[in-house]
Amino acid sequence: DTGVSQDPRHKITKRGQNVTFRCDPISEHNRLYWYRQTLGQGPEFLTYFQNEAQLEKSRLLSDRFSAERPKGSFSTLEIQRTEQGDSAMYLCASSTTLGPYEQYFGPGTRLTVT
Amino acid sequence: DQQVKQNSPSLSVQEGRISILNCDYTNSMFDYFLWYKKYPAEGPTFLISISSIKDKNEDGRFTVFLNKSAKHLSLHIVPSQPGDSAVYFCAAATGNQFYFGTGTSLTVIP
Repeated sequence: DTGVSQDPRHKITKRGQNVTFRCDPISEHNRLYWYRQTLGQGPEFLTYFQNEAQLEKSRLLSDRFSAERPKGSFSTLEIQRTEQGDSAMYLCASSTTLGPYEQYFGPGTRLTVT
Repeated sequence: DQQVKQNSPSLSVQEGRISILNCDYTNSMFDYFLWYKKYPAEGPTFLISISSIKDKNEDGRFTVFLNKSAKHLSLHIVPSQPGDSAVYFCAAATGNQFYFGTGTSLTVIP
């Protein structure tokens, strides 16, 4: 198993454009999380899936953000009409139901909005 | 509102000595606590955890202590090794939401 992978690793976009990130969790992990991390801060929880169901969303997840996990495997995070304040590292993590607290993180996607 | 705080942004320790990283939290509903280690250009890596019903958990060179009355968590690394140099995040969980501190950058000097 190669661990959690994220694509792309870096994304530069202009303000107002839409971007989509992909996360492939560890294959047997049914829980998937998205976080955002800005410089000097720890990861901030955005949303959580168990299988294909999105069970929790943070207040940080504005209407411009949407996440999906259509078949309970990979997940996508889309940001519409990007703003400069969206510039951050977007981290994905996965875990099992038996060990929900031990999350395995991907390398992240660094988004820069110009 | 920062519910998990790491008040020391950095720490330097000599190789072989003990490293003590501290973390404070405000929410008494947290029922699980974790430490993650992060190298540059990588995602955080799970290190060690502790349930709120315990006050100590040990795994090799790493020990986590939990003081619920003080709402304080600490990670002890002994002996410290140069490879331990990284940013360490503490995290706390309630339900399915996780809250991370801002991290402490540990440098172990050979």
